Amino acid sequence: DGGITQSPKYLFRKEGQNVTLSCEQNLNHDAMYWYRQDPGQGLRLIYYSQIVNDFQKGDIAEGYSVSREKKESFPLTVTSAQKNPTAFYLCASTPWQVGGANVLTFGAGSRLTVL
Amino acid sequence: GDSVTQMEGPVTLSEEAFLTINCTYTATGYPSLFWYVQYPGEGLQLLLKATKADDKGSNKGFEATYRKETTSFHLEKGSVQVSDSAVYFCALSDDAGGTSYGKLTFGQGTILTVHP
Repeated sequence: DGGITQSPKYLFRKEGQNVTLSCEQNLNHDAMYWYRQDPGQGLRLIYYSQIVNDFQKGDIAEGYSVSREKKESFPLTVTSAQKNPTAFYLCASTPWQVGGANVLTFGAGSRLTVL
Repeated sequence: GDSVTQMEGPVTLSEEAFLTINCTYTATGYPSLFWYVQYPGEGLQLLLKATKADDKGSNKGFEATYRKETTSFHLEKGSVQVSDSAVYFCALSDDAGGTSYGKLTFGQGTILTVHP
C-alpha cells in the first residue's frame, strides 16, 4: 500500500543534541512538507519542497534543517538551536498541480520530547 | 497573509446530537478549503474538501459548504457517534497563482468528544 512512513514514532533527546526525523513516501508525490503540531496551535509549516534538491523555509524554520536528495525522502533535523523542540512532527506529501486542490497525505507523526 | 479561524473548543456532545464546528478564513485569492480529522496518536486524514464558491463537500455524514460571501466553511453532521471523537482541522490552500506549492494554512483545531 502507498503511503508515508515516519520514524521514529517516539524520540527522546537531551538538550544540546541534534536529532533527525525520517519521512519516506512511496506515492510518487513531487511535493513534501514538514509541519509542527503543538496543543491548541494547529499545525505550523516548517519546511517544504516541491522538487528534488530544492526546498523552502516555512513559517517556523529557525532551528530546523532539511534535505531532499531523493524524491521519496525528506528528512528533518531538529538542531540544538531550536529553543523549544518538544512537539508532534508531521510529514505530508502531494502530487501538486498549479491551481489544483492539492490534497495532502500525512504520515502518522513523530513525537519528540526533550528531556 | 492567509489565515483560518476555528471555533473555540473543546466540544462535548452526546451520541446522536447535531454537530457544528465553525470555520472562517482570510485569503487574498480564491482558495480551496478542507476539513481534516486527526484521531488520537495519528496523523491527519482528509475528511472533505471544496474548491469553489457554493461547493458542498461531504463524507461519512459530514458536510461543509464553501460560502464566499461570509468567508466560511462550517462543518456539520446531523447525528454524531462516539467514533467521531477526534480533533478537526479547517484548512485552506491558496494556490491559484502556483506559488504556494500546495501549502496548507490550518486553523487551531477543535477537539470533539462524543459520549454514549
